[in-house]
Amino acid sequence: EDKVVQSPLSLVVHEGDTVTLNCSYEVTNFRSLLWYKQEKKAPTFLFMLTSSGIEKKSGRLSSILDKKELSSILNITATQTGDSAIYLCAVEGGSEKLVFGKGTKLTVNP
Amino acid sequence: NAGVTQTPKFQVLKTGQSMTLQCAQDMNHEYMSWYRQDPGMGLRLIHYSVGAGITDQGEVPNGYNVSRSTTEDFPLRLLSAAPSQTSVYFCASSYSRDRSYEQYFGPGTRLTVT
Repeated sequence: EDKVVQSPLSLVVHEGDTVTLNCSYEVTNFRSLLWYKQEKKAPTFLFMLTSSGIEKKSGRLSSILDKKELSSILNITATQTGDSAIYLCAVEGGSEKLVFGKGTKLTVNP
Repeated sequence: NAGVTQTPKFQVLKTGQSMTLQCAQDMNHEYMSWYRQDPGMGLRLIHYSVGAGITDQGEVPNGYNVSRSTTEDFPLRLLSAAPSQTSVYFCASSYSRDRSYEQYFGPGTRLTVT
């Protein structure tokens, strides 16, 4: 059975801190890993990673995939209160269905 | 271009009642799916469809039915609501089932079963 585990489950930091969120997976025939940000409502897409070692960046957010370690990290530098959200990791395997982790709840205090 | 729309936004049902959650997209996406999200559980796939006339079960399909008669619409039916189905339901769609897809999520339906 495909499985995605995120850590930590929750994290509280101060504005300006840098955070690293982790996602590890066990899937058959890995195809892609996706990161989403969920604030009050629906998740919004951040990154999709398919190749190991390639970093995807968008402003202060970046993510990298390690296919050897079956994991990915999401980095957020110079955090702001607007970064407070649940960050979801999802993996697509051979079943062609997305399997989601439970998410990391990030709280950024001013 | 409205994206993915869901109705209703909120619903309260009594145990045993049936209802349909509506989902529609106007992006001509082939792939549509339904998820439920419970506290501390992340998103779990209920049913999905890779095109009109084709549906399949996800991780937690029991108690739910779907159909896909058109590309645009993918309704989710609760046959006989149970308190365990209290959850937030998200519909999502994407261009296709191949590697390069990203899912667009609807705003969600918050369902309470008493």
